[in-house]
Amino acid sequence: DTGVSQDPRHKITKRGQNVTFRCDPISEHNRLYWYRQTLGQGPEFLTYFQNEAQLEKSRLLSDRFSAERPKGSFSTLEIQRTEQGDSAMYLCASRPVGGRAHEQYFGPGTRLTVT
Amino acid sequence: GDSVTQMEGPVTLSEEAFLTINCTYTATGYPSLFWYVQYPGEGLQLLLKATKADDKGSNKGFEATYRKETTSFHLEKGSVQVSDSAVYFCALSGGGGADGLTFGKGTHLIIQP
Repeated sequence: DTGVSQDPRHKITKRGQNVTFRCDPISEHNRLYWYRQTLGQGPEFLTYFQNEAQLEKSRLLSDRFSAERPKGSFSTLEIQRTEQGDSAMYLCASRPVGGRAHEQYFGPGTRLTVT
Repeated sequence: GDSVTQMEGPVTLSEEAFLTINCTYTATGYPSLFWYVQYPGEGLQLLLKATKADDKGSNKGFEATYRKETTSFHLEKGSVQVSDSAVYFCALSGGGGADGLTFGKGTHLIIQP
């Protein structure tokens, strides 16, 4: 399978705990994106990387959120001191630079439930 | 900022009916426009796209035309099947130079046999 993969698929945590999600993009895709999707809404952009550089962050990405892509391959998204409002599906997507304009390929998502 | 508005669901149709899901957008510059589909239990999949005015995207019997004058990208299919039941998202990218996709809220389509 050469698609975007995410791990874990589901995460249940207690309020105040830290969680970390991983995304493995399609090989050789330079750009990697994180989105958040709450029930009944469309995905909302959080941040993106080109190789290892984080180029853009949404205002939705509070100080409790941090994303990394240290070697320009996989990426991690960490949420510190989780709150119930963080419960959502976290989606990762990737695309090659110079590929068909802005077409992004999505992973299956990580569903986070904060109790 | 950029925004996408699409018709609220659920939309319920009988098999072989004609489908239209309306989508309008607000963006600066010249965005690319997309329709993504999310089948039950699966991730988002690109259905079709258009990158400039008057382009028509098509795939699996679905079509949408980029109408700059009406800032619209309505999704159509002539004869829907039960297997088309899913949530459909209209999205844009690159309007104001931003690279992330801006999505609508999604339209849940239910096709009854």
